[in-house]
Amino acid sequence: KAGVTQTPRYLIKTRGQQVTLSCSPISGHRSVSWYQQTPGQGLQFLFEYFSETQRNKGNFPGRFSGRQFSNSRSEMNVSTLELGDSALYLCASRYDGTANTEAFFGQGTRLTVV
Amino acid sequence: AQTVTQSQPEMSVQEAETVTLSCTYDTSESDYYLFWYKQPPSRQMILVIRQEAYKQQNATENRFSVNFQKAAKSFSLKISDSQLGDAAMYFCAYSGGSNYKLTFGKGTLLTVNP
Repeated sequence: KAGVTQTPRYLIKTRGQQVTLSCSPISGHRSVSWYQQTPGQGLQFLFEYFSETQRNKGNFPGRFSGRQFSNSRSEMNVSTLELGDSALYLCASRYDGTANTEAFFGQGTRLTVV
Repeated sequence: AQTVTQSQPEMSVQEAETVTLSCTYDTSESDYYLFWYKQPPSRQMILVIRQEAYKQQNATENRFSVNFQKAAKSFSLKISDSQLGDAAMYFCAYSGGSNYKLTFGKGTLLTVNP
């Protein structure tokens, strides 16, 4: 079956702009989580959605937001971009998001803010 | 809050040899799960092995095995008969309770020398 698809793969934006990243989970998976990966901070949890509802949110400013659609696809939006937002953004798909279920990751979107 | 610590930023091993990657974690929960993920240069995170905290038996997946010491909150990964394709960043991760997220360590970069 098809894996987790993230688009776009690469993105270059200017400070102050906003950006939207997309994630299509594995068919049948209803939980989508987003993570930010940087060399300094490692992998940090942004938020998790299940059946269009945000169930958990990490410690990120309100400029980071997300949503999930009825087909489980998810988008993440970052407004007023800052240089520090440059990172690899990873999306993880889980069947139900419970602690024991395997998370399948996409290849990520590499965001560069200049 | 749960924390995951990987104390070895880098490790190297000779092809066909055995290497052990260390991970410790901290949690007050009784029901949780531990994972090792591999991230090759392609950036896609791949699950290597997982361990249920309630199971005393250490998990094994082919050449990969763990040493799970619950009282010590230690979860190390042993790779036997190392192969060039094992070269990657390895992340230890924790999932527990109802917060629906994975908490990752900072990672260990494994180099396999021919």
